[in-house]
Amino acid sequence: DADVTQTPRNRITKTGKRIMLECSQTKGHDRMYWYRQDPGLGLQLIYYSFDVKDINKGEISDGYSVSRQAQAKFSLSLESAIPNQTALYFCATSGENTDTQYFGPGTRLTVL
Amino acid sequence: DAKTTQPTSMDCAEGRAANLPCNHSTISGNEYVYWYRQIHSQGPQYIIHGLKNNETNEMASLIITEDRKSSTLILPHATLRDTAVYYCIVSPLHQGKSTFGDGTTLTVKP
Repeated sequence: DADVTQTPRNRITKTGKRIMLECSQTKGHDRMYWYRQDPGLGLQLIYYSFDVKDINKGEISDGYSVSRQAQAKFSLSLESAIPNQTALYFCATSGENTDTQYFGPGTRLTVL
Repeated sequence: DAKTTQPTSMDCAEGRAANLPCNHSTISGNEYVYWYRQIHSQGPQYIIHGLKNNETNEMASLIITEDRKSSTLILPHATLRDTAVYYCIVSPLHQGKSTFGDGTTLTVKP
């Protein structure tokens, strides 16, 4: 089984809808991250969490919120989706004493 | 965080070494150099990292210049499956703020 899983893998929604993307990991890592990738571009950090009680904004947090329900789970929400949030979304984890990140397979989100 | 500069694209013949350069002239003393790759639209995959010494693992070698202002990722015998976007990142240790630029698209040709 994959160490970092994301659900759903694909989602099509309409403008104004609330969307939640979920990430689970079995690596036992404390640190979790959410990234966004627009076509042909690199990854941009949305939010990151160093433990259940520590959540930090990344480069592009506007329009997004997160919830760290447990060490193994980190959810990303789009409160009111808009078309320019159409992108690939990746979750990642890392251990406490390393910055090596392990990525999930991604969620392809389309906002119509 | 230090910014990195990479060529947009490179080609390499199958079986030959692929040398991917990265400039990070503003790197700080506590920042590591990390390399990841992304095949198609899959999640990025960690390759290697280093601080100042050259590093080698089963996937690649990392050569960091003495002044640490640039580095080169070497894939010693490139295969078609190494075709991917390669990202060079500099990251302060344990701060979790990795900034991914646009990377280098490496195309390995038969």
